Amino acid sequence: GAVVSQHPSRVICKSGTSVKIECRSLDFQATTMFWYRQFPKQSLMLMATSNEGSKATYEQGVEKDKFLINHASLTLSTLTVTSAHPEDSSFYICSATTGSYNEQFFGPGTRLTVL
Amino acid sequence: QKEVEQNSGPLSVPEGAIASLNCTYSDRGSQSFFWYRQYSGKSPELIMSIYSNGDKEDGRFTAQLNKASQYVSLLIRDSQPSDSATYLCAVNTYNAGNMLTFGGGTRLMVKP
Repeated sequence: GAVVSQHPSRVICKSGTSVKIECRSLDFQATTMFWYRQFPKQSLMLMATSNEGSKATYEQGVEKDKFLINHASLTLSTLTVTSAHPEDSSFYICSATTGSYNEQFFGPGTRLTVL
Repeated sequence: QKEVEQNSGPLSVPEGAIASLNCTYSDRGSQSFFWYRQYSGKSPELIMSIYSNGDKEDGRFTAQLNKASQYVSLLIRDSQPSDSATYLCAVNTYNAGNMLTFGGGTRLMVKP
């Protein structure tokens, strides 16, 4: 099956700093990548949809200036949480799709803790 | 009304039994249907996809789709304690591009 990696798997940072999370499709070219956030015992919440070479589409309520997404190639998308605050602490998960049959393959996730 | 609905559970079944997980969706234009398994603290893992009415079997898993009733289910035969997880139903609708709409998930507990 398709493999998606994320880095780092876990990050702890101080309030006010920025954190970058990388998402890579390892064995396929991803036409679209998605960024989700999941709080404990809650369901996945889509933050944004990212297509290579174009601006990301953000879901309602997600601040585009706070969560910067760059999709520089068909295998790499990055999410930067700027000026992080404790309420941004969450499990951030990316997924990627080839476009065929709309299957999404998820990365292992990044657990962010903001002190 | 939520677009994709699942009973949150927990659904508790004994080891070796059949676990039946259900999902309903509201958009009749939905075309692709997926089941993901998510262990606690981990990301979702795709276990089944189904695109046409009827049953699709893969090992111990069977996905069932009924578009007229807007209903999709997942059966797990010979349930094992390692199947204990949250199962997410996801649906792709006609106008949504590659986006999936996820249900809230059903927590399955398989007791030894």
